[in-house]
This record gives sequence, structure tokens and C-alpha cells, in this order.
Amino acid sequence: KNEVEQSPQNLTAQEGEFITINCSYSVGISALHWLQQHPGGGIVSLFMLSSGKKKHGRLIATINIQEKHSSLHITASHPRDSAVYICAVGNFGNEKLTFGTGTRLTIIP
Amino acid sequence: NAGVTQTPKFQVLKTGQSMTLQCAQDMNHEYMSWYRQDPGMGLRLIHYSVGAGITDQGEVPNGYNVSRSTTEDFPLRLLSAAPSQTSVYFCATGIGKLYNSPLHFGNGTRLTVT
Repeated sequence: KNEVEQSPQNLTAQEGEFITINCSYSVGISALHWLQQHPGGGIVSLFMLSSGKKKHGRLIATINIQEKHSSLHITASHPRDSAVYICAVGNFGNEKLTFGTGTRLTIIP
Repeated sequence: NAGVTQTPKFQVLKTGQSMTLQCAQDMNHEYMSWYRQDPGMGLRLIHYSVGAGITDQGEVPNGYNVSRSTTEDFPLRLLSAAPSQTSVYFCATGIGKLYNSPLHFGNGTRLTVT
């Protein structure tokens, strides 16, 4: 079973700061997902990646397969970015995802 | 497109009662799944389906049943509710294999068992 660790568990930053959230996993994967969960509960898929880097607006996700590590970056952070960010990994030939416990991000105006 | 629709949003049950959580999607996704979310823990897979007529167990299947008679619907049945099943339940769908398709989540069902 893949183990997924996220860091930090909680992060508070000022508006405008550059944010980095980390995800490490223990076993080789087929894909890694980054999800966002706002207060009130809805979960939205931000990225799915298996190599390299993806960018969407102010969000950037990177993955290093050799180091079994992924990062989610937020540039020019805004209070509306306040949410829980969740990393999940999938293994080859397996339809089951393993989820991290999430990073709670709070952006202060 | 409604996407993924879960009902109800909230439910309170007494121990021993049964109920069905509904999940419907209008995106023609093959993959459907149920997760539970508990404080301090990652989402845990209960059951999943890779297509109509096909279901399989996830990480925490005990106490739950599923069926997939159509592509659109994937109900989750609690057979005899227990306080340990108090949780927030999410249905998620994907167009194909999880290594090449993002997930689409419903808005969740908050279940309390007393």
C-alpha cells in the first residue's frame, strides 16, 4: 500500500505570498492528483500529472518521479485560495487512490 | 450538465437503521466510486465500479453495499447503521482509468448515526 505524506499540515500566509505544499509517497505511481476542498466541503480536482509540470492560472504542480515527490505552488496568493489541499496517488494497474490527509491553507488579507 | 449529484446532503440515522445514499452522474463516466472522509484521515475508498455491472471493494467496504445497474447511478447502501459510520461521504467519477483522468466529486453527504 502506498503511503502518502503531506507537509505542512497547516499553513497560514499573508495575501500575495508564494505558497508551496508538498506531497511525498512511498511506492512508484501511475498518476498523482491534487484536489482542493473549500470550507463547506466540495472537492475539486486541480491537477492530474504523471511527470513534469502543469500550470493553471496561479497554480503550478510539479512532480519528481525519482524522488517520489510532488509540490503544489500558488503564486500571488489570495484569501479565496484558503482551502484544504489534498494529494492522492494511484498505482499501476490499480483503480484505487491513496489520499494524503491534506494541508489546510489560510491566506490572511 | 449537473455533473455528479449526491442526495441527501444531510442525514441522521439511529443505530440499526438502513438507508441508501444516491449518486448520479450525467457525464457518461465509466468509473464511479464512494469515499468516506473522517477528521484527521485521508479520504478512504469504500467501493468502486469501472463500468455498469462491475463493482469491487475498496479499503473500508464492511457495512456497505453497492450496485451499478446503469452507467449513471451508483447507490451506496448502509445495511445496519452504526455510530462508526458517522462521516462525510463523497461520490467521485472519472472518464477512464485513474492514471489518465481527473476525478469529479459530488458535494458530499454528511451522515450522523446516533
